[in-house]
Amino acid sequence: DQQVKQNSPSLSVQEGRISILNCDYTNSMFDYFLWYKKYPAEGPTFLISISSIKDKNEDGRFTVFLNKSAKHLSLHIVPSQPGDSAVYFCAASAHLSGSARQLTFGSGTQLTVLP
Amino acid sequence: EAGVAQSPRYKIIEKRQSVAFWCNPISGHATLYWYQQILGQGPKLLIQFQNNGVVDDSQLPKDRFSAERLKGVDSTLKIQPAKLEDSAVYLCASRRGPTDTQYFGPGTRLTVL
Repeated sequence: DQQVKQNSPSLSVQEGRISILNCDYTNSMFDYFLWYKKYPAEGPTFLISISSIKDKNEDGRFTVFLNKSAKHLSLHIVPSQPGDSAVYFCAASAHLSGSARQLTFGSGTQLTVLP
Repeated sequence: EAGVAQSPRYKIIEKRQSVAFWCNPISGHATLYWYQQILGQGPKLLIQFQNNGVVDDSQLPKDRFSAERLKGVDSTLKIQPAKLEDSAVYLCASRRGPTDTQYFGPGTRLTVL
C-alpha cells in the first residue's frame, strides 16, 4: 500500500519555464512534507519542506503548495534551469509516539530541463 | 561539516554470499537510518537507531538482514545470505534531533548475481 504517490515518473520542461511536480498521500496522520532532489550516484538532498499548518512555503525558485483536503502537494520550480535536472522525491512524515519522525517516500519523478 | 559517509560505494556479490555496509553519520547526529532503494522506487526504511538503541526495525527482513550501532556513532548493515532481490542502493541517513532534516549519504549500490 503506497501511502505517498508520485504518479508521473518523468517530466520534461524547457529552460526558463515552470516545472510542476505533483504528489498525493493517503495517510491523514502525515503532518510534515518534504521534497528531496537526487542526482545520479549521490544520496537525496533536502530541498524544501512544509508543515501541515501552512498551505505554501517558498524558498527562492522553489515553492511547495499543500492542499490538505485533497491530500495533495506540489513543487513549483520557476524558472527551471538545466541544473535542476534530477529525480525529485516527495516524502511525508508523521510523529510516532516516543520516537523521532520517520519519512515515507514516493517513487520519484525524473525532471529533465531542456536548454 | 562533513556529510554522511558510506562505504563501499559499489559491491557485486553472488547470491547466498554475505555482505556488509558501513555508515558514519554526521557528528552529533543521534538518529541514524538505513534505507533500501530499489531501482524505480523511493527509499524504504529498514531500521532506525536512536544513539545505540533500535527505535524501529519492523521493516527489516530479520532472517537475513542485521544492523548494529554499538557505540552510538558508526553503524553496519549486514545481509547474510544475499538474494537476487536484495540488489538495490542502500542509503544511510542521520539527523540531530527529532524534528530536524535527514541528511543522506551517497549510498552503496549492491548487485547480487
